[in-house]
Amino acid sequence: GESVGLHLPTLSVQEGDNSIINCAYSNSASDYFIWYKQESGKGPQFIIDIRSNMDKRQGQRVTVLLNKTVKHLSLQIAATQPGDSAVYFCAEKGNFNKFYFGSGTKLNVKP
Amino acid sequence: DTGVSQDPRHKITKRGQNVTFRCDPISEHNRLYWYRQTLGQGPEFLTYFQNEAQLEKSRLLSDRFSAERPKGSFSTLEIQRTEQGDSAMYLCASRPGFRSTDTQYFGPGTRLTVL
Repeated sequence: GESVGLHLPTLSVQEGDNSIINCAYSNSASDYFIWYKQESGKGPQFIIDIRSNMDKRQGQRVTVLLNKTVKHLSLQIAATQPGDSAVYFCAEKGNFNKFYFGSGTKLNVKP
Repeated sequence: DTGVSQDPRHKITKRGQNVTFRCDPISEHNRLYWYRQTLGQGPEFLTYFQNEAQLEKSRLLSDRFSAERPKGSFSTLEIQRTEQGDSAMYLCASRPGFRSTDTQYFGPGTRLTVL
């Protein structure tokens, strides 16, 4: 089956700095990817998504980059704030509308 | 609040007991998913409904697990003869049913603790 992995389990950044969270995926046929933020005790919250026919998509303070050549996805958070502290997951839509998640990256924002 | 609700939010049970969880998706969404999440891990796919039809089931879903979506609206997930290894967060998510790239929205989850 598909697998989604993350390069770094924990990322610490200073408040105001930019954050970059990376994700690798294995299924080159995946056509859709989502980044989620999960705070302790809560369900994953949608942040931003990207289709496989795009390389970049921007939201409010967040940008997702997709590199299909190396099957890599990244989430960039501009001007990171304490409220951004959470675990971030990327999810890949594989065959039969099933989504596969990595183990997550914990983002710590230091004031 | 995504519009997906789950009940109960927390459940503590003794090993061997049966438990049932409920998920109410966003009303116009005809796709519904169940996931299990253990500490430090990402959600793991359990099963998927399109309307009332259960289209996919994970190998994780043993014979003790059953899910239904009888009228294509809310769904239930039942675990029979619970084991300590069933302790986890059980998440429900819903999606519209028309495009391959529709976003998936999660509920708050049900935290199950099996003693």
